[in-house]
Amino acid sequence: QKEVEQNSGPLSVPEGAIASLNCTYSDRGSQSFFWYRQYSGKSPELIMSIYSNGDKEDGRFTAQLNKASQYVSLLIRDSQPSDSATYLCAVRDASGTYKYIFGTGTRLKVLA
Amino acid sequence: GAGVSQTPSNKVTEKGKYVELRCDPISGHTALYWYRQSLGQGPEFLIYFQGTGAADDSGLPNDRFFAVRPEGSVSTLKIQRTERGDSAVYLCASSREITGELFFGEGSRLTVL
Repeated sequence: QKEVEQNSGPLSVPEGAIASLNCTYSDRGSQSFFWYRQYSGKSPELIMSIYSNGDKEDGRFTAQLNKASQYVSLLIRDSQPSDSATYLCAVRDASGTYKYIFGTGTRLKVLA
Repeated sequence: GAGVSQTPSNKVTEKGKYVELRCDPISGHTALYWYRQSLGQGPEFLIYFQGTGAADDSGLPNDRFFAVRPEGSVSTLKIQRTERGDSAVYLCASSREITGELFFGEGSRLTVL
């Protein structure tokens, strides 16, 4: 059973701080990784995708990938109360079926 | 359309009834995915289509669940003899190709009484 693991949280950070969200995956052959944000009662919305080892920055968001450690993370700089949501990590199956496997999500609370 | 459209947004039904959930993907997106999400959980894969064919239906929980996409655009998820455990939000997503990023609809919340 291929798995994507996330700490369910909640992760509480003060406004303006850096929030660090982590994800590990079991399928060593995975090549594509995604972070989604999901507000309560809403559907997931894509924040970032990352495919290569290292960092990828987009505004206040930075995704980090380490395939050797099977680890992907999302950093949110200058966290705002509006960032309070559940963050889902998704990994595309490497076996050739192209399905996306999601973690259970980490709930982030940014305290004003 | 501009985004993935799902209908109905809410469906309440009685145990044993038949339910259809519809998904209209983003225009031009060839891949379409169905997921199910229960409270406090991540989306659980059900099935995905590339064009008209089901490329992977390994997530369908049992033979009460079936999905079609006859013309390669709109898809319908069909659930027979619904059970209380089927209650969840059913999410549809589409992508430009099977290696692309997923874009989700707002979901169909199914409640089986």
